[in-house]
Amino acid sequence: NAGVTQTPKFRILKIGQSMTLQCTQDMNHNYMYWYRQDPGMGLKLIYYSVGAGITDKGEVPNGYNVSRSTTEDFPLRLELAAPSQTSVYFCASRPDRPDTEAFFGQGTRLTVV
Amino acid sequence: KQEVTQIPAALSVPEGENLVLNCSFTDSAIYNLQWFRQDPGKGLTSLLLIQSSQREQTSGRLNASLDKSSGRSTLYIAASQPGDSATYLCAVRRTGRRALTFGSGTRLQVQP
Repeated sequence: NAGVTQTPKFRILKIGQSMTLQCTQDMNHNYMYWYRQDPGMGLKLIYYSVGAGITDKGEVPNGYNVSRSTTEDFPLRLELAAPSQTSVYFCASRPDRPDTEAFFGQGTRLTVV
Repeated sequence: KQEVTQIPAALSVPEGENLVLNCSFTDSAIYNLQWFRQDPGKGLTSLLLIQSSQREQTSGRLNASLDKSSGRSTLYIAASQPGDSATYLCAVRRTGRRALTFGSGTRLQVQP
């Protein structure tokens, strides 16, 4: 199994540009998450999904959008990139049961200039 | 709101030492607590998952304990090695919440 796969690994965006960060998992997990990690900080939740067609905001959702059309994919969209969105973005997934661990992708390092 | 604190923020030890990393959380109503390792520029690797009903979990040289009532967890690393150098993050999942809340991590350097 590949686990949780994120693309791209690195990206530089200009202010005002848009992009989609891709995340796919092959473990048939219903729960998927997007976090961001700023330097020297822990991870903060942007959006999450409990299954196809269902998404909800996390702690820091402003400037982002998500969709969940399939169980496998959970893309994160940045519409108008701002320097404050420079960060490392992590996608994660876990099974439904509350006592299960979360699995993380390798991250996407985004710089907005 | 759940807050997770990790102390110290950074730690440097000579090879072979046993060490303890600390994690505290403000709301004791949790499902579980997970310890991760993060290497520079890399993703998160899960080390140990402790359920709220458990007191500790062990994996090789790692031992994680959980004291839910006092809102604390420790990660014990025995006989540290230079390869253990990384940032260690703890995260808790609060009861009724669907996502993890993370601490800021402890950056560990093991000197050869």
